[in-house]
Amino acid sequence: GAGVSQSPSNKVTEKGKDVELRCDPISGHTALYWYRQSLGQGLEFLIYFQGNSAPDKSGLPSDRFSAERTGGSVSTLTIQRTQQEDSAVYLCASSFLGPNSPLHFGNGTRLTVT
Amino acid sequence: AQSVTQLDSQVPVFEEAPVELRCNYSSSVSVYLFWYVQYPNQGLQLLLKYLSGSTLVKGINGFEAEFNKSQTSFHLRKPSVHISDTAEYLCAVSVPTSNTGKLIFGQGTTLQVKP
Repeated sequence: GAGVSQSPSNKVTEKGKDVELRCDPISGHTALYWYRQSLGQGLEFLIYFQGNSAPDKSGLPSDRFSAERTGGSVSTLTIQRTQQEDSAVYLCASSFLGPNSPLHFGNGTRLTVT
Repeated sequence: AQSVTQLDSQVPVFEEAPVELRCNYSSSVSVYLFWYVQYPNQGLQLLLKYLSGSTLVKGINGFEAEFNKSQTSFHLRKPSVHISDTAEYLCAVSVPTSNTGKLIFGQGTTLQVKP
């Protein structure tokens, strides 16, 4: 079946501009996660959505970052007033509910801020 | 809070040689342990996981890992590597009692298999 889909695959933007990154999770998966992968930094947790519960935003690095999930499916990660340090690969993952359900990752969006 | 340490950022090895990628974790509560692999130009995929039971777990592509509670380690091993094993390997933990699948990752280890 279809996996997690992210768009765009690559995004180049100028410093100070806003960007939106999209994630389409696997159908039926109730949990959705955003991670950031920076060179030499591993994967950094950003935000987690589970059904209609309040999202876990504990990993968002600043108030310039926000995310929403509409209808329990598609999610959008928005970065306002982008900075060069925001350059990274942004990964989305989805899973069934529960701590032992493996995460299924998308191929990511590579964001470059010039 | 939980943390994961992968001490080796890069591991070069010749084809058909054995390899061990190290992973240590820190947690005041029990954790689930995972290894993910990211092949060049591909997304992350699950290699293997430890939830409970036997401390030796087997995954895809001939990899296995052993959970050692006393040493808080979950090292990944393969007895004979292939060129196609060249990839980034990430160790991760989740907390069973959190009721979420949120993973805490290590920094990753790049395995470079040479002919």
